[in-house]
Amino acid sequence: DGGITQSPKYLFRKEGQNVTLSCEQNLNHDAMYWYRQDPGQGLRLIYYSQIVNDFQKGDIAEGYSVSREKKESFPLTVTSAQKNPTAFYLCASSPRQGGREKLLFGSGTQLSVL
Amino acid sequence: DAKTTQPTSMDCAEGRAANLPCNHSTISGNEYVYWYRQIHSQGPQYIIHGLKNNETNEMASLIITEDRKSSTLILPHATLRDTAVYYCIVRGTGANSKLTFGKGITLSVRP
Repeated sequence: DGGITQSPKYLFRKEGQNVTLSCEQNLNHDAMYWYRQDPGQGLRLIYYSQIVNDFQKGDIAEGYSVSREKKESFPLTVTSAQKNPTAFYLCASSPRQGGREKLLFGSGTQLSVL
Repeated sequence: DAKTTQPTSMDCAEGRAANLPCNHSTISGNEYVYWYRQIHSQGPQYIIHGLKNNETNEMASLIITEDRKSSTLILPHATLRDTAVYYCIVRGTGANSKLTFGKGITLSVRP
């Protein structure tokens, strides 16, 4: 079955450490997205990519980095510059980037700081 | 993209219709109304979207007022599994238009 796979489900980060969250899709979607969700809050857009080798900053990109070397993969690195990384991270994809596209979400990664 | 306003929470009895309101008074002519829901600790799930006509699918109905300044999501026969946070989102059609999630409305379905 086609879908979006996020791994790991739970991740722990030590102070000063970079960690990478994985997001893979087998839907042949061009567009992929990363969102952050804090407890009791809505989702905030970190980065999005419309096509391979291209990505744009969202509303809260500071302290994060991404790459899009393959169509099916859009990993997110939480760098040591992100001072408050504890959150639920969600990856999504859509056939294309644009207002009529429905987003399909993965099951999320919970990141916590040790 | 226009902003939306939703109540914080509501509840309904199992088997009854759940009517979830949303205000989007600054919506412009080319912006769609989208609804997603999120069950605790899972990714959001697409429910339905519309421009100006009422829409219905296997999950829900979307009623948009004639002036498009508000809408209502209707779950015709709510079940316990419909307990979730429901997000009403307004999104333009441009290539750089983003899906922006507010806090949504928490629907609790009681037995």
